This record gives sequence, structure tokens and C-alpha cells, in this order.
Amino acid sequence: AQKVTQAQTEISVVEKEDVTLDCVYETRDTTYYLFWYKQPPSGELVFLIRRNSFDEQNEISGRYSWNFQKSTSSFNFTITASQVVDSAVYFCALSEGGDSSYKLIFGSGTRLLVRP
Amino acid sequence: DTGVSQDPRHKITKRGQNVTFRCDPISEHNRLYWYRQTLGQGPEFLTYFQNEAQLEKSRLLSDRFSAERPKGSFSTLEIQRTEQGDSAMYLCASSKTQDGDPQYFGPGTRLTVT
Repeated sequence: AQKVTQAQTEISVVEKEDVTLDCVYETRDTTYYLFWYKQPPSGELVFLIRRNSFDEQNEISGRYSWNFQKSTSSFNFTITASQVVDSAVYFCALSEGGDSSYKLIFGSGTRLLVRP
Repeated sequence: DTGVSQDPRHKITKRGQNVTFRCDPISEHNRLYWYRQTLGQGPEFLTYFQNEAQLEKSRLLSDRFSAERPKGSFSTLEIQRTEQGDSAMYLCASSKTQDGDPQYFGPGTRLTVT
């Protein structure tokens, strides 16, 4: 069965620290997509990144980077030099290629608090 | 580009009343999704439309819930005979048609049933 686990419920860091948010997924499909979304205090989910199961290249976008490892079924997200504006709940999500709706299966989220 | 919009943003209703929410997706997006999010949890899938066809419904969607997308543009989600357990944030998302295209979310409708 498909599942996404974000074991870290809450992380608190001081500004400028690096922080990694963990995501572990389960799926039987060979084709699938992984996503990260940010939910700031305003509540709206903001799309950050999508990876497909055939592309294990790590990706960097500014202070954000993502490490996708199929061998460990993980898709971790690192914020370098964190800022107060990074404070939010971050969700990892999975959609499966065998599911024609491509609905998202979300983890329970990690609340990140960046203190000044 | 106009994003996904939802109306109303907040709704307070008494138990037993019916409520209806509206979602306007991004204009060129054919796929539309409804999710429900309760406090401290990730969103859970409720239902999915491809154009005007409702192609999948979650078991979470009891017979008190109905959704429509009559012309393949905006969608409505109606809850009949609301219960306190229906209190949640109802999120709408839309995406293009290609497999695995990212879903873009609206601001949500927060429902409180008293």
C-alpha cells in the first residue's frame, strides 16, 4: 500500500542553520512522482518541487536542495542558511503512475520553526 | 496567471445544515481535486474530476457529500446534514493533464460546524 512518512513532527532551528526534513515513502509502482509542498501560517499549500521515479538526480534551487534515493525510498529536503520566512509546515507527497487520478498521498508534515 | 480560488474562505454552520463550497481552478487545467485537511494532518484526497467527469471518489466521501463540475470549469462541493466531524479545511487543487503534473492549491475553505 502507498504511504508517506515524515517522522519529524517539529523542528526548531536558529536562523542561518542548515536543516534537513526527512521523507520516506512506500509504493509498489515503478512509476511514481514525489513532491514537496510548503504551508505557511497563511494556510495555502505552495508547490516546491516534483521528481519522477526515473530521475534520481539531486536538485538545488537557491537555498533549497533535494536528495532522492530509491535504494532507501527517501526524498529528503534540505534548507541551507535557514531564514525566519522558512517557518512553515512542509509536506512530502506521492502520486502513483498506476493510479489514473494521480491523487496526492501526503505525509503528516513537519513543522519548521526558524528562530531569529 | 490567476491561481486557484475558493469561496467562501470561512464558513460557520450549525449541525444539520447544508453547506456548499466553490472552487475555480486555473483556467487551462483539466484536472480538479478536492482534499480535506484536519488540524495537524496532511491533506486527504476526497474526489477527482477530469473535465466534467467525476472519475474517482474516496471512501472518506460519505453519501452526505456530493461534488460537481458541470461544465468542466468551476466545481462545487456540497455537504448535507453537516456533523461536527465535518469541521476541517477543504482544499481544492488543479493540474494540467500530463501524468504527474504538479497540483496547485487554492487557499481553502475552513468549515466549522457548531
